[in-house]
Amino acid sequence: KAGVTQTPRYLIKTRGQQVTLSCSPISGHRSVSWYQQTPGQGLQFLFEYFSETQRNKGNFPGRFSGRQFSNSRSEMNVSTLELGDSALYLCASSSGKQTDTQYFGPGTRLTVL
Amino acid sequence: EDKVVQSPLSLVVHEGDTVTLNCSYEVTNFRSLLWYKQEKKAPTFLFMLTSSGIEKKSGRLSSILDKKELFSILNITATQTGDSAVYLCAVVSGGSNYKLTFGKGTLLTVNP
Repeated sequence: KAGVTQTPRYLIKTRGQQVTLSCSPISGHRSVSWYQQTPGQGLQFLFEYFSETQRNKGNFPGRFSGRQFSNSRSEMNVSTLELGDSALYLCASSSGKQTDTQYFGPGTRLTVL
Repeated sequence: EDKVVQSPLSLVVHEGDTVTLNCSYEVTNFRSLLWYKQEKKAPTFLFMLTSSGIEKKSGRLSSILDKKELFSILNITATQTGDSAVYLCAVVSGGSNYKLTFGKGTLLTVNP
């Protein structure tokens, strides 16, 4: 089985711009979760999508949004970028059951200048 | 607010040493505890623990959960330089709207 893929792997943007990141889960997985990882805060949960619906949401401002398509691929959008949004954005896929393991993609490294 | 605390934050050992990493948690409606290893890329899954007192083993790595005292430990015996990584602990909590809360990780450096 192919693993979780994320595109692009690296991005450089400037403050005020917006960005869209993409995640393709493992075939058959219906849940996609997004995380932000920074040196200071560690891994923080952004949101989870399951069957095209947002099922869980972390404590991030509304500038962070996402969606999931019928093929389970997911996109995350960040609008009005701030310097503090520079981070590694990871997505993880699972079957969607609580007891199932999440498998992480390689991440997208976003730098905001 | 759910909280996961890992200790120590960093650790430097020599090859062959045994290390113990700690993870304590305070969450509402605990479901499971996960350990991940992260090198210079995405976290890779190590263990999932749901029941107290049952040790999970994989080679030189083992882990156990204490649901009464709300902590887990990850042991690595006969460490190798390839064990150098950040070890992340995460707790799954909640009902149908479950969530994953991560600790900040323990940076393990194994010197030859």
